Amino acid sequence: RKEVEQDPGPFNVPEGATVAFNCTYSNSASQSFFWYRQDCRKEPKLLMSVYSSGNEDGRFTAQLNRASQYISLLIRDSKLSDSATYLCVVMGSNYQLIWGAGTKLIIKP
Amino acid sequence: DADVTQTPRNRITKTGKRIMLECSQTKGHDRMYWYRQDPGLGLRLIYYSFDVKDINKGEISDGYSVSRQAQAKFSLSLESAIPNQTALYFCATSDLTLNTEQFFGPGTRLTVL
Repeated sequence: RKEVEQDPGPFNVPEGATVAFNCTYSNSASQSFFWYRQDCRKEPKLLMSVYSSGNEDGRFTAQLNRASQYISLLIRDSKLSDSATYLCVVMGSNYQLIWGAGTKLIIKP
Repeated sequence: DADVTQTPRNRITKTGKRIMLECSQTKGHDRMYWYRQDPGLGLRLIYYSFDVKDINKGEISDGYSVSRQAQAKFSLSLESAIPNQTALYFCATSDLTLNTEQFFGPGTRLTVL
């Protein structure tokens, strides 16, 4: 089993819709969680950290479920510019980041 | 100007050749990392360095070596390139605090024939 697993997609979503992705992790001792965004052939960039209480940044909401060992990302009122690959990242017990393979999102007009 | 730069951006080479990928940063961060990205796989850590005198192997260090020439410079070498080292290579930096963002360079696309 991979340490961090994501549905690779692609998720094809109409503009304005709401879309959600999940990411599961295997190490119950993981303490820190992040979502990064990667545009095609570009470098990853931090989208948001994921806090235990959940957090929201504009149209983006991240949640953590420690009992089931998954984190989620919800995007409301999706824009064409949201088209990208979303990478789930978990900090392992040795403080190194473990990266998921990403979920590809395509927003259609 | 970009905070994290990588050279070259693209490189095609032949099996057995020695290749060096270079990374420079102007963010003043102590921590630097080298990752590779392959289709369908997450970023995998090759080497990391927490300061100039500190070098650590990552998940997939075999076939690679690194040099931390200065706080701002971290280079990755493939001593004898092989085709399965064809990948997209990223350099990243972060500051000393845990749980902080990693900042990535634009990547080097390496093809080994």
